[in-house]
Amino acid sequence: AQSVTQLGSHVSVSEGALVLLRCNYSSSVPPYLFWYVQYPNQGLQLLLKYTTGATLVKGINGFEAEFKKSETSFHLTKPSAHMSDAAEYFCAVSPGANNLFFGTGTRLTVIP
Amino acid sequence: ETGVTQTPRHLVMGMTNKKSLKCEQHLGHNAMYWYKQSAKKPLELMFVYSLEERVENNSVPSRFSPECPNSSHLFLHLHTLQPEDSALYLCASSPPPLAGPTDTQYFGPGTRLTVL
Repeated sequence: AQSVTQLGSHVSVSEGALVLLRCNYSSSVPPYLFWYVQYPNQGLQLLLKYTTGATLVKGINGFEAEFKKSETSFHLTKPSAHMSDAAEYFCAVSPGANNLFFGTGTRLTVIP
Repeated sequence: ETGVTQTPRHLVMGMTNKKSLKCEQHLGHNAMYWYKQSAKKPLELMFVYSLEERVENNSVPSRFSPECPNSSHLFLHLHTLQPEDSALYLCASSPPPLAGPTDTQYFGPGTRLTVL
């Protein structure tokens, strides 16, 4: 079975500070992992994804995530938060074949 | 127009109404999805169509009826909904699954549905 746990439904950081959004997954097969971002009144936009190969994945807008199999984690980071990063972030896991299982999301607030 | 589009963006309907949500993708994909996004809950996959055939239906009530007339269009027909069906309904599309991993799903902006 596949599932995703996102620790912290709300995260607040100061502008310029490190962003760390946590994601742990459970998967019965080698997982494919995704981070999506949702800005207000918009759909989900892919930030980055891990399928195979290098475990440190770089995405758009300066975000990156590292796949750690031993910890079953795929945390999302950005060295310096920008006001425009304020949004809701979703982690998802896929065993393949059209299935995506999402976490409940983390709302990121950036404080000026 | 590019990407995945959804109309209408907002819809208010009574419990006895019949309405339809429309999704269109301009990405050349042949798999399409309907998701329901409710507050404080994970996205719920409702329906999956691949090559215009339904491949998954996650026990969705019959008051939701999908239709996929071609690989670019997906509809969600609504009738006799309940207030708890109020949510953001998201459409997504993806290329066909390769031998193994699923590929990325591309989402539309959603339709905000309110059932009175």
